[in-house]
Amino acid sequence: AQSVTQLDSHVSVSEGTPVLLRCNYSSSYSPSLFWYVQHPNKGLQLLLKYTSAATLVKGINGFEAEFKKSETSFHLTKPSAHMSDAAEYFCVVSDPGGGFKTIFGAGTRLFVKA
Amino acid sequence: DTEVTQTPKHLVMGMTNKKSLKCEQHMGHRAMYWYKQKAKKPPELMFVYSYEKLSINESVPSRFSPECPNSSLLNLHLHALQPEDSALYLCASSQERAAGTGSPRGELFFGEGSRLTVL
Repeated sequence: AQSVTQLDSHVSVSEGTPVLLRCNYSSSYSPSLFWYVQHPNKGLQLLLKYTSAATLVKGINGFEAEFKKSETSFHLTKPSAHMSDAAEYFCVVSDPGGGFKTIFGAGTRLFVKA
Repeated sequence: DTEVTQTPKHLVMGMTNKKSLKCEQHMGHRAMYWYKQKAKKPPELMFVYSYEKLSINESVPSRFSPECPNSSLLNLHLHALQPEDSALYLCASSQERAAGTGSPRGELFFGEGSRLTVL
Protein backbone atom coordinates (compact mmCIF):
# COMPACT_ATOMS: atom_id res chain seq x y z
CA ALA A 1 0.00 0.00 0.00
CA GLN A 2 1.16 3.47 -0.71
CA SER A 3 1.23 6.33 1.75
CA VAL A 4 2.79 9.74 2.24
CA THR A 5 3.88 11.29 5.53
CA GLN A 6 4.70 14.93 6.04
CA LEU A 7 6.86 14.88 9.10
CA ASP A 8 6.03 18.35 10.41
CA SER A 9 2.57 19.86 10.75
CA HIS A 10 4.11 23.33 11.26
CA VAL A 11 7.46 24.86 10.33
CA SER A 12 8.51 28.37 11.34
CA VAL A 13 11.49 30.17 9.79
CA SER A 14 12.80 33.72 9.67
CA GLU A 15 12.78 35.63 6.42
CA GLY A 16 16.00 35.03 4.51
CA THR A 17 16.77 31.68 6.18
CA PRO A 18 16.52 28.24 4.52
CA VAL A 19 13.29 26.27 4.34
CA LEU A 20 13.06 22.49 4.73
CA LEU A 21 9.70 20.70 4.53
CA ARG A 22 9.99 16.95 4.96
CA CYS A 23 8.06 14.26 3.12
CA ASN A 24 8.44 10.49 3.25
CA TYR A 25 6.51 8.09 1.06
CA SER A 26 5.79 4.43 0.86
CA SER A 27 5.44 2.83 -2.55
CA SER A 28 5.93 -0.55 -4.17
CA TYR A 29 7.06 0.98 -7.42
CA SER A 30 8.70 4.17 -8.63
CA PRO A 31 6.07 6.76 -7.87
CA SER A 32 5.37 10.19 -9.26
CA LEU A 33 5.77 12.78 -6.53
CA PHE A 34 4.48 16.35 -6.36
CA TRP A 35 4.61 19.34 -4.06
CA TYR A 36 1.66 21.75 -4.10
CA VAL A 37 1.30 25.06 -2.27
CA GLN A 38 -1.96 26.53 -1.03
CA HIS A 39 -2.28 30.12 0.16
CA PRO A 40 -5.21 30.97 2.44
CA ASN A 41 -8.60 30.60 0.74
CA LYS A 42 -6.96 29.71 -2.56
CA GLY A 43 -6.64 26.62 -4.70
CA LEU A 44 -3.57 24.41 -4.88
CA GLN A 45 -0.69 25.38 -7.16
CA LEU A 46 1.93 22.93 -8.39
CA LEU A 47 5.42 23.79 -7.15
CA LEU A 48 7.30 20.90 -8.72
CA LYS A 49 7.03 17.26 -9.74
CA TYR A 50 9.22 14.17 -9.95
CA THR A 51 8.35 11.60 -12.62
CA SER A 52 11.45 9.33 -12.79
CA ALA A 53 13.74 11.72 -14.62
CA ALA A 54 16.36 13.78 -12.73
CA THR A 55 16.29 13.15 -8.97
CA LEU A 56 16.88 16.83 -8.17
CA VAL A 57 13.82 18.72 -9.30
CA LYS A 58 13.63 22.48 -9.57
CA GLY A 59 10.30 24.21 -9.24
CA ILE A 60 8.81 27.64 -9.21
CA ASN A 61 9.67 30.47 -6.79
CA GLY A 62 13.13 29.05 -5.99
CA PHE A 63 11.90 25.76 -4.51
CA GLU A 64 13.54 22.43 -5.24
CA ALA A 65 13.20 18.85 -4.03
CA GLU A 66 15.38 15.79 -4.16
CA PHE A 67 14.00 12.29 -4.72
CA LYS A 68 15.96 9.82 -2.57
CA LYS A 69 14.81 6.29 -3.23
CA SER A 70 17.03 4.75 -0.55
CA GLU A 71 15.46 7.01 2.08
CA THR A 72 11.98 7.07 0.47
CA SER A 73 12.03 10.83 0.86
CA PHE A 74 11.11 13.84 -1.24
CA HIS A 75 11.96 16.84 0.93
CA LEU A 76 11.21 20.37 -0.28
CA THR A 77 13.84 23.09 0.19
CA LYS A 78 14.42 26.75 -0.55
CA PRO A 79 17.65 28.58 0.23
CA SER A 80 16.05 31.80 1.45
CA ALA A 81 12.50 32.20 2.70
CA HIS A 82 10.34 35.12 1.67
CA MET A 83 7.29 36.41 3.50
CA SER A 84 5.15 35.40 0.53
CA ASP A 85 6.15 31.74 1.06
CA ALA A 86 3.91 31.53 4.13
CA ALA A 87 1.28 28.96 3.13
CA GLU A 88 0.21 25.32 3.41
CA TYR A 89 2.32 22.80 1.50
CA PHE A 90 1.13 19.35 0.42
CA CYS A 91 3.30 16.43 -0.64
CA VAL A 92 1.43 14.16 -3.05
CA VAL A 93 2.26 10.70 -4.37
CA SER A 94 0.82 8.97 -7.42
CA ASP A 95 1.84 5.35 -7.51
CA PRO A 96 1.60 3.17 -10.62
CA GLY A 97 1.69 0.15 -8.37
CA GLY A 98 -1.43 1.49 -6.71
CA GLY A 99 -3.19 2.10 -10.00
CA PHE A 100 -2.01 5.69 -10.02
CA LYS A 101 -4.08 6.39 -6.94
CA THR A 102 -3.28 9.90 -5.73
CA ILE A 103 -2.52 10.30 -2.04
CA PHE A 104 -2.20 13.69 -0.33
CA GLY A 105 -0.05 14.21 2.73
CA ALA A 106 -1.62 15.92 5.73
CA GLY A 107 0.09 19.20 4.90
CA THR A 108 2.75 21.41 6.49
CA ARG A 109 1.97 24.98 7.44
CA LEU A 110 4.96 27.25 6.81
CA PHE A 111 5.24 30.41 8.90
CA VAL A 112 7.77 33.08 7.91
CA LYS A 113 8.81 35.65 10.51
CA ALA A 114 10.03 39.09 9.58
CA ASP B 1 -4.55 29.58 -20.94
CA THR B 2 -3.69 27.43 -17.94
CA GLU B 3 -6.59 28.32 -15.70
CA VAL B 4 -9.38 26.46 -14.02
CA THR B 5 -12.15 28.91 -13.21
CA GLN B 6 -14.68 28.30 -10.46
CA THR B 7 -17.84 30.23 -9.65
CA PRO B 8 -19.09 31.46 -7.31
CA LYS B 9 -16.14 32.14 -5.01
CA HIS B 10 -18.43 32.25 -1.98
CA LEU B 11 -21.85 30.72 -1.44
CA VAL B 12 -24.12 30.78 1.58
CA MET B 13 -27.18 28.58 1.50
CA GLY B 14 -29.84 27.20 3.77
CA MET B 15 -30.47 23.51 4.21
CA THR B 16 -33.53 23.61 1.94
CA ASN B 17 -31.91 25.55 -0.90
CA LYS B 18 -30.79 24.25 -4.29
CA LYS B 19 -27.63 25.77 -5.70
CA SER B 20 -24.85 24.87 -8.11
CA LEU B 21 -21.09 25.26 -8.27
CA LYS B 22 -19.51 25.69 -11.68
CA CYS B 23 -16.06 24.92 -13.05
CA GLU B 24 -14.56 25.63 -16.46
CA GLN B 25 -11.23 24.81 -18.09
CA HIS B 26 -9.95 25.46 -21.60
CA MET B 27 -6.73 23.46 -21.51
CA GLY B 28 -8.17 20.54 -23.46
CA HIS B 29 -7.99 18.32 -20.39
CA ARG B 30 -10.18 15.22 -20.52
CA ALA B 31 -10.33 14.45 -16.81
CA MET B 32 -12.05 16.72 -14.30
CA TYR B 33 -12.40 16.35 -10.54
CA TRP B 34 -14.35 17.65 -7.57
CA TYR B 35 -12.57 17.77 -4.21
CA LYS B 36 -13.87 18.80 -0.80
CA GLN B 37 -11.48 20.46 1.64
CA LYS B 38 -12.20 21.11 5.30
CA ALA B 39 -10.11 23.59 7.27
CA LYS B 40 -6.54 22.48 8.00
CA LYS B 41 -7.04 19.22 6.04
CA PRO B 42 -5.89 18.00 2.62
CA PRO B 43 -8.41 17.83 -0.23
CA GLU B 44 -10.64 14.75 -0.35
CA LEU B 45 -11.68 13.35 -3.72
CA MET B 46 -15.44 13.37 -4.38
CA PHE B 47 -15.99 12.73 -8.10
CA VAL B 48 -13.98 12.12 -11.26
CA TYR B 49 -15.15 12.62 -14.82
CA SER B 50 -13.19 11.16 -17.69
CA TYR B 51 -14.16 12.04 -21.25
CA GLU B 52 -17.37 13.54 -19.89
CA LYS B 53 -18.44 10.32 -18.18
CA LEU B 54 -18.60 9.88 -14.43
CA SER B 55 -15.95 7.32 -13.60
CA ILE B 56 -15.44 7.68 -9.86
CA ASN B 57 -17.87 8.51 -7.05
CA GLU B 58 -16.15 8.26 -3.70
CA SER B 59 -19.34 7.29 -1.85
CA VAL B 60 -20.55 10.87 -1.82
CA PRO B 61 -24.08 11.48 -0.45
CA SER B 62 -26.75 11.98 -3.10
CA ARG B 63 -27.36 15.56 -1.95
CA PHE B 64 -24.29 16.29 -4.10
CA SER B 65 -24.98 15.71 -7.80
CA PRO B 66 -22.22 16.23 -10.38
CA GLU B 67 -22.75 17.01 -14.04
CA CYS B 68 -20.37 17.36 -16.97
CA PRO B 69 -22.23 19.10 -19.83
CA ASN B 70 -19.17 19.11 -22.09
CA SER B 71 -15.42 18.59 -21.98
CA SER B 72 -14.77 22.09 -20.61
CA LEU B 73 -17.47 22.35 -17.96
CA LEU B 74 -18.14 20.65 -14.66
CA ASN B 75 -21.00 21.42 -12.31
CA LEU B 76 -21.82 20.33 -8.79
CA HIS B 77 -25.50 20.59 -7.90
CA LEU B 78 -26.30 21.00 -4.22
CA HIS B 79 -29.60 20.19 -2.54
CA ALA B 80 -30.66 19.70 1.07
CA LEU B 81 -27.14 20.12 2.40
CA GLN B 82 -26.16 19.87 6.04
CA PRO B 83 -24.05 22.34 8.05
CA GLU B 84 -21.20 19.80 8.08
CA ASP B 85 -21.03 20.14 4.29
CA SER B 86 -19.60 23.62 4.76
CA ALA B 87 -16.13 23.51 3.17
CA LEU B 88 -13.97 24.71 0.30
CA TYR B 89 -14.94 22.87 -2.89
CA LEU B 90 -12.11 22.58 -5.37
CA CYS B 91 -12.34 21.70 -9.02
CA ALA B 92 -9.31 20.27 -10.80
CA SER B 93 -8.41 18.96 -14.21
CA SER B 94 -5.67 16.83 -15.71
CA GLN B 95 -4.71 15.73 -19.18
CA GLU B 96 -6.24 12.32 -18.66
CA ARG B 97 -7.01 9.72 -16.05
CA ALA B 98 -5.23 6.44 -15.53
CA ALA B 99 -7.49 3.61 -16.66
CA GLY B 100 -9.50 2.00 -13.88
CA THR B 101 -8.67 4.60 -11.27
CA GLY B 102 -9.57 8.10 -10.24
CA SER B 103 -6.00 9.25 -10.42
CA PRO B 104 -4.56 11.70 -12.90
CA ARG B 105 -1.69 11.10 -15.24
CA GLY B 106 0.57 14.05 -14.60
CA GLU B 107 -0.28 16.95 -12.42
CA LEU B 108 -3.60 18.31 -11.32
CA PHE B 109 -4.56 21.90 -12.15
CA PHE B 110 -6.78 23.38 -9.46
CA GLY B 111 -9.25 26.22 -9.45
CA GLU B 112 -9.34 28.71 -6.59
CA GLY B 113 -12.31 26.98 -5.05
CA SER B 114 -15.83 27.84 -3.95
CA ARG B 115 -16.23 28.51 -0.24
CA LEU B 116 -19.58 27.03 0.79
CA THR B 117 -21.36 27.84 4.04
CA VAL B 118 -24.51 25.91 4.92
CA LEU B 119 -26.68 27.52 7.59
